[in-house]
Amino acid sequence: GESVGLHLPTLSVQEGDNSIINCAYSNSASDYFIWYKQESGKGPQFIIDIRSNMDKRQGQRVTVLLNKTVKHLSLQIAATQPGDSAVYFCAEILNQAGTALIFGKGTTLSVSS
Amino acid sequence: ETGVTQTPRHLVMGMTNKKSLKCEQHLGHNAMYWYKQSAKKPLELMFVYNFKEQTENNSVPSRFSPECPNSSHLFLHLHTLQPEDSALYLCASSQVSDSGNTIYFGEGSWLTVV
Repeated sequence: GESVGLHLPTLSVQEGDNSIINCAYSNSASDYFIWYKQESGKGPQFIIDIRSNMDKRQGQRVTVLLNKTVKHLSLQIAATQPGDSAVYFCAEILNQAGTALIFGKGTTLSVSS
Repeated sequence: ETGVTQTPRHLVMGMTNKKSLKCEQHLGHNAMYWYKQSAKKPLELMFVYNFKEQTENNSVPSRFSPECPNSSHLFLHLHTLQPEDSALYLCASSQVSDSGNTIYFGEGSWLTVV
């Protein structure tokens, strides 16, 4: 069935490094993807989204890349800071109504000073 | 402050109790959601309400009963739950449109069933 997964459950980086978090999805019909950040004790927070007609989208210190050929999504965080430590989820819209958002398992990013 | 407010933030209930989780969104959105988040598992979509009509029910047991009286409020009524139902229950809202559907989450209600 359809699923969204992340390649690595944990990622540890040094402050100032660039971080890359990967996600693979299986539903080739999905046309909308979102990255969320969840800090301990809080709900998921929207970071950035991308539609399937785009390959790349940039935000403040974050870039999302979409490779539809291999059904792969990545989140790049530039100059990672301790405040970026959190669990990161990718999610895809699964239905045509646009309301069924399915999440992957999450990658825990740890940033050390 | 996300614009989606959930109460209570923490709830402990016995297996024979009846309780409710409440969610209110202040964003003017037209869709609301309940998600369940358990340890070591992906977020699970439970229910979706689009313009107050339930459009998704992901095979959720009947001991969970949603209610959406208007587009700003969403409840999850709980009855005869099991210990394995202990989890973080997240409410979310979004404005569904042709240009996208960014879902905004509340801080969640931590539920412990004893």
